[in-house]
Amino acid sequence: NAGVMQNPRHLVRRRGQEARLRCSPMKGHSHVYWYRQLPEEGLKFMVYLQKENIIDESGMPKERFSAEFPKEGPSILRIQQVVRGDSAAYFCASSPLEVFFGEQFFGPGTRLTVL
Amino acid sequence: GNSVTQMEGPVTLSEEAFLTINCTYTATGYPSLFWYVQYPGEGLQLLLKATKADDKGSNKGFEATYRKETTSFHLEKGSVQVSDSAVYFCALRDDKIIFGKGTRLHILP
Repeated sequence: NAGVMQNPRHLVRRRGQEARLRCSPMKGHSHVYWYRQLPEEGLKFMVYLQKENIIDESGMPKERFSAEFPKEGPSILRIQQVVRGDSAAYFCASSPLEVFFGEQFFGPGTRLTVL
Repeated sequence: GNSVTQMEGPVTLSEEAFLTINCTYTATGYPSLFWYVQYPGEGLQLLLKATKADDKGSNKGFEATYRKETTSFHLEKGSVQVSDSAVYFCALRDDKIIFGKGTRLHILP
């Protein structure tokens, strides 16, 4: 059973460009969570999604950030018009259908660098 | 609001030394408590957990006891190995998971 997969592992963007980060949850998991880790900081919750639904987006910045988890395909975290402060590691986690905010399994992360 | 505070690193120890990484929490309810480990270039892995007061979580020689009276969940290991070098995160789960800032651990051979 493959673990949580994220791609790309490293992403470089110039200011003003768009960044798209993808997350494929573990097989059988339909709950996805996105976190952001700034240098020397812990992970900060951003958003919690189920298939086709955003359950909790209380950690998402109000502008430029959006997330989706379509019926088919990976979850996407989208950052429009990136700025230097968006440089961070973005981690995705997933959990099984019957677990609500329970044990989460983390992907290896996408490290975004904004030039 | 809920929060987690853990000791700042880096922590540098010699192989076979005793390890303690302190973690205290603030929560309005009765959260579950976790320790996660992050090896270089990887995502977080659950190391151990405890879901109620006085529970002891253990895994790979690491232990932590849920102390409600001191609101603590300190991580301990009796004899560390070079392969334990990583960043360790204390976390609590109430309605969502809240992480501490992490403690980087270096084990010298």
